[in-house]
Amino acid sequence: DAMVIQNPRYQVTQFGKPVTLSCSQTLNHNVMYWYQQKSSQAPKLLFHYYDKDFNNEADTPDNFQSRRPNTSFCFLDIRSPGLGDAAMYLCATSRTLQGPEQFFGPGTRLTVL
Amino acid sequence: QKEVEQNSGPLSVPEGAIASLNCTYSDRGSQSFFWYRQYSGKSPELIMFIYSNGDKEDGRFTAQLNKASQYVSLLIRDSQPSDSATYLCAVGANNLFFGTGTRLTVIP
Repeated sequence: DAMVIQNPRYQVTQFGKPVTLSCSQTLNHNVMYWYQQKSSQAPKLLFHYYDKDFNNEADTPDNFQSRRPNTSFCFLDIRSPGLGDAAMYLCATSRTLQGPEQFFGPGTRLTVL
Repeated sequence: QKEVEQNSGPLSVPEGAIASLNCTYSDRGSQSFFWYRQYSGKSPELIMFIYSNGDKEDGRFTAQLNKASQYVSLLIRDSQPSDSATYLCAVGANNLFFGTGTRLTVIP
């Protein structure tokens, strides 16, 4: 089945230790998104790729970076995780920038010790 | 700042009743409107989308859109305990803006 896959599902890291989260998709969608969702809050868009074009949200900290080496894969790099970065990280895809729908992966729960 | 507002709840309804979830948005240019269901600890799952004013029905779910009032709602008929979740309203054109969600509990 076509889907959005995220690895790992759970990630524990230490304060300041770089971490990389992975997302892959078999939907062949042009757009891939990374969201951060903290408990009882709305998903917050960090950035998105439309093909190879990277679009960073204005309030996304520099500590967060992303790579999209090909259509299928997208990575979220957190260079120096702080305690406030503990959250669920959601990857989503859509066929175009206008969507219409965004399909979400299962998420990666990040814990920072 | 584009805002999407939802009543955080919790909203409790008895099994078999109609659950009504509401959402307002600030950007009049919004073109697409979505309802996602999110179970605790899981990712959002798309259940309905609507683009035009009026009602759209899919099984037990009905989405209602009123662009003049900047209002979108979701009705769940014959609510089941398995419908207990947080329902996220999302609005957007190029990017989606999410509300914080309404937590629904269906009481058996």
